Amino acid sequence: GESVGLHLPTLSVQEGDNSIINCAYSNSASDYFIWYKQESGKGPQFIIDIRSNMDKRQGQRVTVLLNKTVKHLSLQIAATQPGDSAVYFCAENLLDGQNFVFGPGTRLSVLP
Amino acid sequence: DTEVTQTPKHLVMGMTNKKSLKCEQHMGHRAMYWYKQKAKKPPELMFVYSYEKLSINESVPSRFSPECPNSSLLNLHLHALQPEDSALYLCASSQAPSVQGDEQFFGPGTRLTVL
Repeated sequence: GESVGLHLPTLSVQEGDNSIINCAYSNSASDYFIWYKQESGKGPQFIIDIRSNMDKRQGQRVTVLLNKTVKHLSLQIAATQPGDSAVYFCAENLLDGQNFVFGPGTRLSVLP
Repeated sequence: DTEVTQTPKHLVMGMTNKKSLKCEQHMGHRAMYWYKQKAKKPPELMFVYSYEKLSINESVPSRFSPECPNSSLLNLHLHALQPEDSALYLCASSQAPSVQGDEQFFGPGTRLTVL
């Protein structure tokens, strides 16, 4: 389940299940979005991106969905593995190609 | 080489010290970025360099001074920092500055502690 509080929101899933991480973005004019994975002690790592002219994009085991009507982005991870445990950030590009604003992040915890 | 490297990995400095963080990439990228990340928070953009010129300064205090000596290197000079400046400083690069946006490659960061 998902919990939100004083700490990072945390999503706990069983190994092998699918994970869905959600993100609300702020600017309705944002046209490019990226999902990043950040493991402890490392920099963010690119997972998948999507532009505003699309509503779905698939990668290897990951799918990003974009709902511009409600300014919502989601990341779906199929068959979640222990190596998927990390903090996941969405980032929106504020129209100029360089200025990215990151969402608050969600910690994904994969249970054995 | 698809890596962004940062040195040092860890840095402890006093409030009167002057130090520098270094970032390097050899991917031919022409946009480079500095971000600051506090614990359990997302990265926050500080500076953007496009074609070695400062294009974005997100109202960062002057005690942080960026420098881009060439297309592969990005420095962040630190002077008279405060304890609240303690954070992970991330460098990133992307292929070329473009309105459409492009994937940013991040380095591992420098963990800075100001005493």
